[in-house]
Amino acid sequence: KNEVEQSPQNLTAQEGEFITINCSYSVGISALHWLQQHPGGGIVSLFMLSSGKKKHGRLIATINIQEKHSSLHITASHPRDSAVYICAVRTSGTYKYIFGTGTRLKVLA
Amino acid sequence: DTGVSQDPRHKITKRGQNVTFRCDPISEHNRLYWYRQTLGQGPEFLTYFQNEAQLEKSRLLSDRFSAERPKGSFSTLEIQRTEQGDSAMYLCASSLREREGRTYEQYFGPGTRLTVT
Repeated sequence: KNEVEQSPQNLTAQEGEFITINCSYSVGISALHWLQQHPGGGIVSLFMLSSGKKKHGRLIATINIQEKHSSLHITASHPRDSAVYICAVRTSGTYKYIFGTGTRLKVLA
Repeated sequence: DTGVSQDPRHKITKRGQNVTFRCDPISEHNRLYWYRQTLGQGPEFLTYFQNEAQLEKSRLLSDRFSAERPKGSFSTLEIQRTEQGDSAMYLCASSLREREGRTYEQYFGPGTRLTVT
C-alpha cells in the first residue's frame, strides 16, 4: 500500500461540473501540497496546507489532520483545468516528500 | 525569468554512458530537491540540499548517482554507467528554508527528460 493514495486515478467531467479529488496518507506529516502537472511535465504548486482550508479562485483545498485526508475541489470546471493533479506530503521530522501517483483530469467542453 | 531552470531539457544517451544534469534554483532559495518521475507515476524523492549540504538521500539513489551543490547555488546530478531503467524525467525544485515553523512551497523546474537506449 502506498503511503500517499489518491482517488480517483482518472476523472472525466463536463465543463461547469464541480470536481473533487481525494488524497489519503498513512504517515505523519508537517505539510501537504497539491500540485498541477500539465502535459510536457511542468509542475505548478497550487496549495500548501498544514491545517484547515485554503481557497484560490475556483480551487479549494481542505485537510483533516486527524483523518489523514485532504481534498482538492474545482468549482465551475473548465477545459483548461485538464491536467494531472498530484498530492504530496512532507513527512514529519524529515525533508522528504512523498507523492501520490496523481489524478488525471479531463474536462470536456 | 527568475524561475527554476534545468539543463538540458532532453538527453538521449546510450547505455553505459555518464550523464550530468544541471539545476539553477531561484536565487534566494536555500533548499534544493531532486526528484525522478517515470511515466504515469508521481515524482519520487531522490535527494535534498540545504545550501551546499546534502542532508538527505533516498535509497533510490544508488552508487551510480551523485549530486552536488558546491556553492549552495546551482546543483548537478550525475548518473554514471546509465541503464535503461534510468530513463525518466528528472525534476529539480527549490524553496526557502522554514522560518518560525512556516513551511514554504516548492517551485519546480521544467525537468530533464532522459532516454537511455
